[in-house]
Amino acid sequence: LAKTTQPISMDSYEGQEVNITCSHNNIATNDYITWYQQFPSQGPRFIIQGYKTKVTNEVASLFIPADRKSSTLSLPRVSLSDTAVYYCLVGILTGGGNKLTFGTGTQLKVEL
Amino acid sequence: SQTIHQWPATLVQPVGSPLSLECTVEGTSNPNLYWYRQAAGRGLQLLFYSVGIGQISSEVPQNLSASRPQDRQFILSSKKLLLSDSGFYLCAWSVPNRYQYFGPGTRLTVT
Repeated sequence: LAKTTQPISMDSYEGQEVNITCSHNNIATNDYITWYQQFPSQGPRFIIQGYKTKVTNEVASLFIPADRKSSTLSLPRVSLSDTAVYYCLVGILTGGGNKLTFGTGTQLKVEL
Repeated sequence: SQTIHQWPATLVQPVGSPLSLECTVEGTSNPNLYWYRQAAGRGLQLLFYSVGIGQISSEVPQNLSASRPQDRQFILSSKKLLLSDSGFYLCAWSVPNRYQYFGPGTRLTVT
């Protein structure tokens, strides 16, 4: 399983765009990149997933360069409610159990 | 729509007592099921996963076991709890080739 490295914490203010970068130098050909959000005492919530280039949904964008050795989660115009831990995961999706390794994540703190 | 349930939400158990945590999924068939544990301030550690009834794969040798008696039911058990078993236990499900959906979790405190 590919190891990921992301900042331990980030601070931002309401209304700003936040970019969280994840490094995954040994990503394999069949690996997908997935981001989750977790609030205290809750299960992680899926945010976005991608394989290459750019993926956008209603809550975030995911930018993946051509070499796929890193990825950036972009949260537009964050609010206080975006304060949470964000996990970057890399793993294959197979017909069997898609085993994912969660690191310690990035603690994002949004202030007024 | 699919939903995942876990119970109990919180549990306080003495050392040496047994454990049974239950997870059920609604609205899907033959899901992949997972048990994770999260220690305070840490990331999630995959404990077990299952691709079908009676099929359990263990990721970390430990004091726990898992069973899948029905298609959408996943149970985490222990015969004798240790202090180190304390943590936040999360059940998750996925369909093949898709990302995982997590349940609300069970906070276990072993005293």
